[in-house]
Amino acid sequence: QVHLVQSGAEVKKPGASVKVSCKASGYTFTNYDINWVRQASGQGLEWMGWMDPNSGNTGYAEKFQGRVTMTRNTSISTAYMELSSLRSEDTAVYYCVRDEYKYSYYWGQGILVTVSS
Amino acid sequence: QSALTQPASVSESPGQSITMSCTGTSSDVGGYDYVSWYQQHPGKAPKLMIYDVIKRPSGVSNRFSGAKSGNTASLTISGLQAEDEADYYCCSYRSSGTLVFGGGTKLTVL
Repeated sequence: QVHLVQSGAEVKKPGASVKVSCKASGYTFTNYDINWVRQASGQGLEWMGWMDPNSGNTGYAEKFQGRVTMTRNTSISTAYMELSSLRSEDTAVYYCVRDEYKYSYYWGQGILVTVSS
Repeated sequence: QSALTQPASVSESPGQSITMSCTGTSSDVGGYDYVSWYQQHPGKAPKLMIYDVIKRPSGVSNRFSGAKSGNTASLTISGLQAEDEADYYCCSYRSSGTLVFGGGTKLTVL
């Protein structure tokens, strides 16, 4: 059974960075890309980027270029998303999702990142 | 990069059918058969309802169907039920190698 388990909620100050994790189980981690999607309160879904756990290759939405870094540790089947230079507008629930091929069936539970002074 | 365009809200009575749209461009919706639809209830993670424009994952009711014409994709829900009340998001692959979501449509079952 496929599971994506994300780390706990985070509270950060403006200008800081946050690194969230997503531990995969129930399948071969390197066989599927991981996407990151976020959702601000009361707002829509926003795709942030993808990472190939096998090669480490990544692709980011233009909006996040230069501020986001997606990495992985294949030995523990865990993907990471780091967002820097945080601002209040980055307050959102962040989801990791397994990419089946341009769509996502399996979602993590989501993690709330709050940016506040 | 602009999001796909979805109506903010739609409403219909139980038992009726409703179709919601998702408009993009030839660089995303119109150019690829990689449109997916997600249902999201408050406080929950999104749930995949349709992928590859018309395909339905195992376990999703056949009351849900997808289609595409030109740069506009659509999701139709027939025999509306109270449990269908939720937010619906479309998503498409884009020629830049990225994915893009629509702004979402809030479905109210009257």
